[in-house]
Amino acid sequence: ILNVEQSPQSLHVQEGDSTNFTCSFPSSNFYALHWYRWETAKSPEALFVMTLNGDEKKKGRISATLNTKEGYSYLYIKGSQPEDSATYLCASPGSTSYGKLTFGQGTILTVHP
Amino acid sequence: NAGVTQTPKFRVLKTGQSMTLLCAQDMNHEYMYWYRQDPGMGLRLIHYSVGEGTTAKGEVPDGYNVSRLKKQNFLLGLESAAPSQTSVYFCASSYSLAGGIEQFFGPGTRLTVL
Repeated sequence: ILNVEQSPQSLHVQEGDSTNFTCSFPSSNFYALHWYRWETAKSPEALFVMTLNGDEKKKGRISATLNTKEGYSYLYIKGSQPEDSATYLCASPGSTSYGKLTFGQGTILTVHP
Repeated sequence: NAGVTQTPKFRVLKTGQSMTLLCAQDMNHEYMYWYRQDPGMGLRLIHYSVGEGTTAKGEVPDGYNVSRLKKQNFLLGLESAAPSQTSVYFCASSYSLAGGIEQFFGPGTRLTVL
């Protein structure tokens, strides 16, 4: 079973703070890394799918980087807002090109006004 | 487009009862998945389907059955519910099975087994 780990498990920040969290995955035979945001009572929603080492993706105030050689990805949120409060999940299909994703346990972000 | 929908949203069962969770998608996706999400754990794949009439086991298939009689629907059945099956169940779909393609999720079904 693929080992995908996220840290920290939970994070509390104040509105306006910038924050980041980590997803680590096996670096051997990497294929892709997904980031999803899951707000309470809503559907998890894809933020990014990353495939290339050194890739950096951005959506508004959220960005992500990927290091496939060392097996980690960072998710950054600049100027956190209360609406950013959610669980952030990363997932990888491992070395397979097929979409059977293994998810990390998630990072729960709470942004206090 | 409604995307991926799940019914019911909540359900409470007694041990030994059976139920079926329905997932429907209107995106004409070939591939569909059932996950369960438990506190402190990531989503774990229960079963998946690569097309109408096909199903396959995921990471945690025991105690569940699935059927994909129509392309747009994927059903998850619990024949004899157990307290260990208390969880939030998510359905997802994708247009490709390629690992670099995002999956689209439903809103979840919160199941409690007493």
